[in-house]
Amino acid sequence: NAGVTQTPKFRILKIGQSMTLQCAQDMNHNYMYWYRQDPGMGLKLIYYSVGAGITDKGEVPNGYNVSRSTTEDFPLRLELAAPSQTSVYFCASSGGQGLNEQYFGPGTRLTVT
Amino acid sequence: SQKIEQNSEALNIQEGKTATLTCNYTNYSPAYLQWYRQDPGRGPVFLLLIRENEKEKRKERLKVTFDTTLKQSLFHITASQPADSATYLCALQEQGGKLIFGQGTELSVKP
Repeated sequence: NAGVTQTPKFRILKIGQSMTLQCAQDMNHNYMYWYRQDPGMGLKLIYYSVGAGITDKGEVPNGYNVSRSTTEDFPLRLELAAPSQTSVYFCASSGGQGLNEQYFGPGTRLTVT
Repeated sequence: SQKIEQNSEALNIQEGKTATLTCNYTNYSPAYLQWYRQDPGRGPVFLLLIRENEKEKRKERLKVTFDTTLKQSLFHITASQPADSATYLCALQEQGGKLIFGQGTELSVKP
């Protein structure tokens, strides 16, 4: 099992550009999550999904969009990148009813200049 | 307002000693509390989960306590080793809710 994979590892964007952060898991988990982590801070939930075709907003969804067309994939789209979106982005998944431990990917470090 | 607080200052201890990390919360009623370890440049890794009706959970050198009256969880690493140096995150989850993370405590174990 590869677990949770994320691409790319690093990316530099100019203000106003768009990009998609990819996330995939091979554990057949229904629940998937996107977090951002700023220096010295905890993780903030951006969006989450409880299954294919179902997504919902987390604590900080503005400026982001998600889709979940398959169980395995949960891409995060940034439209019109802003410097405030400079952060490390983590994707995670969990099984059961979402009350179990979460498995995290290695993260994507994004800089917007 | 709702808040989760962990020791904001880094914890420095000597190898072999017990490290104790604190997680306090206000205005939450968590059904579960989880602890994660995060190494620099990596994603968090799950360590332990404790339920609201459990007072204590152990796994090898790790012990977690959960006091819903004090609204506090303590995370202990006994016989600490330099390899235990990392940032430790607590996260709580209300029934039917999402996981909410604290800001983490950096632990440094010196040989």
